[in-house]
Amino acid sequence: AQSVTQLGSHVSVSEGALVLLRCNYSSSVPPYLFWYVQYPNQGLQLLLKYTSAATLVKGINGFEAEFKKSETSFHLTKPSAHMSDAAEYFCAVTPMDTGRRALTFGSGTRLQVQP
Amino acid sequence: EAGVTQFPSHSVIEKGQTVTLRCDPISGHDNLYWYRRVMGKEIKFLLHFVKESKQDESGMPNNRFLAERTGGTYSTLKVQPAELEDSGVYFCASSPDYNEQFFGPGTRLTVL
Repeated sequence: AQSVTQLGSHVSVSEGALVLLRCNYSSSVPPYLFWYVQYPNQGLQLLLKYTSAATLVKGINGFEAEFKKSETSFHLTKPSAHMSDAAEYFCAVTPMDTGRRALTFGSGTRLQVQP
Repeated sequence: EAGVTQFPSHSVIEKGQTVTLRCDPISGHDNLYWYRRVMGKEIKFLLHFVKESKQDESGMPNNRFLAERTGGTYSTLKVQPAELEDSGVYFCASSPDYNEQFFGPGTRLTVL
């Protein structure tokens, strides 16, 4: 079984500041890990994914995340926040090397960027 | 290339009525998924089709929910009869393989 915990349902940063969104997972088998973003009135868009290659994963719009097995974490970072980054972010996990492909999501973190 | 589309975008119905949600996946994607987000909660998996077959329906909450995917193209999710707790946003996603899932904008269902 898998589960995802996102610490902080709301995060507020100033424009230009570091963005750090936390994600911890629990999985009985090696996981694939994903970060999705949802802008208002849109569907979920994939930011980046970890599929067992490099542990530091770079995504779109300057975001990156590092898979840390020892900490069971997959935190999302961006060095400098932009107003357009304001959205809701979801961490998700699915088991690797099984037939099951359902995503298990965290509860989401809403990012607010202050001017 | 068109993305995943869902219809309607919003639906408001009375308790006890029937509602049918439709999802059109990206052309050529054999895998189709339904998810639901109840207000304030996490997005939860409902079921997974591979072509027209149900691969995994472990997330379907009860037998008031019926999903179909005739011909392996579009899918419908029917709720009959709807209850108050069925309110939420229903997302559809599709994928060509066991990797990235492409999500639609969702259908917001309100049951009064």
